[in-house]
Amino acid sequence: DGGITQSPKYLFRKEGQNVTLSCEQNLNHDAMYWYRQDPGQGLRLIYYSQIVNDFQKGDIAEGYSVSREKKESFPLTVTSAQKNPTAFYLCASSMLSTGNSPLHFGNGTRLTVT
Amino acid sequence: DQQVKQNSPSLSVQEGRISILNCDYTNSMFDYFLWYKKYPAEGPTFLISISSIKDKNEDGRFTVFLNKSAKHLSLHIVPSQPGDSAVYFCAAARGSSNTGKLIFGQGTTLQVKP
Repeated sequence: DGGITQSPKYLFRKEGQNVTLSCEQNLNHDAMYWYRQDPGQGLRLIYYSQIVNDFQKGDIAEGYSVSREKKESFPLTVTSAQKNPTAFYLCASSMLSTGNSPLHFGNGTRLTVT
Repeated sequence: DQQVKQNSPSLSVQEGRISILNCDYTNSMFDYFLWYKKYPAEGPTFLISISSIKDKNEDGRFTVFLNKSAKHLSLHIVPSQPGDSAVYFCAAARGSSNTGKLIFGQGTTLQVKP
């Protein structure tokens, strides 16, 4: 079955530590995205990548970094510079060549930083 | 600045009746709109979309209406079923190449009572 795999489902870290969230897709999608969801708020775009070895900042990129070395993988690093890292993180992908292609989401990683 | 707003945090409906979820937007440059459904601890799943060249799109029990002059869209679910109980997000985008760069509303929690 094709899909998006995010791991781990739950992640706990101490303040001041960097942490990397994994996202892998086998849908052969061109573009990948990272969103963040906070309680009572909509999803907000952190970073996106439309092609390997290229990525752009979204609306809330500060304190985060990404890489896109392979089409299938788009890991997100939450650095110690991110002021409020505790959140639910969602990875998504889409085709770019077919016009209005909706996003497909993974099941998310809940990160708790104490 | 909340460009996409879902002003009703929750909605409760009896099974078999119609559910109407509303969404307002402020940016007149948005030309593609989507609805996503989300269960707890899972990623959102795409439900239905509409382009700004249309005012209605239907898919089974789900219909989305777009009123461009009012900058308002709504999702109708008829008949509502208990399995429809979830959080519903509306989202908006500018241009087909940007459909991954979505602006999401805060979500409306729908409860369908048996």
